[in-house]
Amino acid sequence: NAGVTQTPKFQVLKTGQSMTLQCAQDMNHEYMSWYRQDPGMGLRLIHYSVGAGITDQGEVPNGYNVSRSTTEDFPLRLLSAAPSQTSVYFCASSYSRVLRGASVYTFGSGTRLTVV
Amino acid sequence: ILNVEQSPQSLHVQEGDSTNFTCSFPSSNFYALHWYRWETAKSPEALFVMTLNGDEKKKGRISATLNTKEGYSYLYIKGSQPEDSATYLCASSSGNTGKLIFGQGTTLQVKP
Repeated sequence: NAGVTQTPKFQVLKTGQSMTLQCAQDMNHEYMSWYRQDPGMGLRLIHYSVGAGITDQGEVPNGYNVSRSTTEDFPLRLLSAAPSQTSVYFCASSYSRVLRGASVYTFGSGTRLTVV
Repeated sequence: ILNVEQSPQSLHVQEGDSTNFTCSFPSSNFYALHWYRWETAKSPEALFVMTLNGDEKKKGRISATLNTKEGYSYLYIKGSQPEDSATYLCASSSGNTGKLIFGQGTTLQVKP
């Protein structure tokens, strides 16, 4: 099993460009989420999904879109990149069929994004 | 939105020292408390998930306790080793949505 796969690992964008960060898991996990990690701020939740076709906003959703058309994939779209979106992005998933809040998260390896 | 706080922000100890960190979280509508270990250039890895007041979990030299009534959890490391150097994250979920809110982390540096 590959676990949670994130691509790309590194990306540099110009202000105003758009891009999609990919996240895929092969563990049949119901719950998937995107976090950003900034120095001194820990992991902040951007968007999450409790199953295919269902998404919701986290703490810092502005400037990002998500969709969940399949159980396996949860892409994060930056519509018009801004320097404030320079960060490390982590995708995480958990099995959570019943005990959602108590299910262990599996994290991807992260995407380091720089917006210039 | 939950507010999860961790202290201290960073800690430097000598090899062999025992240490502990604190995680505080809102106790209302509490569902679960998670601890993760995050080494530099790697992804966070789960240590413990606790749900019941008074829960105690142990993995080798690392243990954790949970007090849901007052909204805090302690992580203990006995006899710290250089390989314990990492950032330790706690996260709390309220309700059964699966949504985790993370604290800022405690970065531990163990000197040989």
